[in-house]
This record gives sequence, structure tokens and C-alpha cells, in this order.
Amino acid sequence: AQKVTQAQTEISVVEKEDVTLDCVYETRDTTYYLFWYKQPPSGELVFLIRRNSFDEQNEISGRYSWNFQKSTSSFNFTITASQVVDSAVYFCALSGSSGFGNEKLTFGTGTRLTIIP
Amino acid sequence: DARVTQTPRHKVTEMGQEVTMRCQPILGHNTVFWYRQTMMQGLELLAYFRNRAPLDDSGMPKDRFSAEMPDATLATLKIQPSEPRDSAVYFCASGSSSYEQYFGPGTRLTVT
Repeated sequence: AQKVTQAQTEISVVEKEDVTLDCVYETRDTTYYLFWYKQPPSGELVFLIRRNSFDEQNEISGRYSWNFQKSTSSFNFTITASQVVDSAVYFCALSGSSGFGNEKLTFGTGTRLTIIP
Repeated sequence: DARVTQTPRHKVTEMGQEVTMRCQPILGHNTVFWYRQTMMQGLELLAYFRNRAPLDDSGMPKDRFSAEMPDATLATLKIQPSEPRDSAVYFCASGSSSYEQYFGPGTRLTVT
């Protein structure tokens, strides 16, 4: 069975501070995919990143960066110089790989991030 | 900018009534998912289809929920009869062989 743990329920930081959201996963699959989604107050789920299990390179996209460490089964997300618009609930998710395409996502419970102006 | 669309966005109904939610996946995506989000259970999979064939509906209460894909541009989720515990946000998502899943805006269902 697959499991995703986001131990941080809520985080508050002052604007311009850096913040890291933790994600730990469990799976028996050798090939799998990890995701981060953002859910702003409006409620939609916004895709941020997908990373496959064979690619452990860290990724940076603007103020966002992701640290994938297979050895610790973690896929952490860092926001640099946070802004009020970053306030949202962030979900980490995991899927297997059938070789045919998308598989169902197992989500963590989410981390509510509040950026204080 | 291709998006997943869902209708209705909001639905309030009385217990016992039938509810139908619709989803139009992104053109060319071959996999469609239905997820439900509640405060207690978080985000959970209800069912999903690949090339219109159902692959997994183990997350759905079989006696009252049904999911179908009449064609490649439409997926439906029906609840009959609805119950107050079905109140939730129902998300449709679509994906392709690239393993990325894109979500619709959701249908917020309230059953009184």
C-alpha cells in the first residue's frame, strides 16, 4: 500500500522568509511518481511538479524548489522569499507506474501555509 | 490553455435526490479520475477510467454511486439516492501518458 505523510499541519511565516514543506512517502513500487499540488482559498488544485523515482535531481522553478531524496523517502518543497500569494494548502501525492500512463494519486493530508504580510 | 471543466460548480440538494456531476477532460487525455475531498477523509479516489474503460472504482459506495464515460469528452458521476454524508467537493482530473494529472475546479455538493 502507498502512503504519504505530511507531518506539518499548519505553518505560518512572515513574508519574504523561506519555508520548507515536508513530505515523506511509502511505497513498494520500484517505479513511482511524486507530485506537489497547491490549493489556494478558491479551492482548485493546481499542479506544481511531477518527479519520477529515477530522477533524484533537485528542481528549481523561480522561487520554488524541490528536494527528492530516495534514501529517506522524502520529497520536500521549499518556497524562497515567500509572498502572500503563496498562502494555500499544499498537497504532496504519490502514484505508481503501470507503464500505460497515469495512475491514481495517493495524497497526503496537506500543509496549510499562511504568509503573514 | 486546456483545462478540465466540471459542471455544476455548486449543487445543493435534499437527501434522497439524484445528483449528476459532469466532467470534460482535456482533449487528448486518455485517463479520467474522480476524487472526493472532505475535511475528515481528505482527498480520496472514487474511480478512474483509461480509454473510457473503468479501471478502479473501489473507492465508491457501490450501492449509490456510479461513474461512466459515455464518450471520450464526457465523464459522469451519479449519486442516487444522495445522503448528507455525501456532502463534499468532487474533483475530476485527467491525464495522459506523461503521468501529470490536471484537476477541474470541482463540484461542491451539499446534501441537506
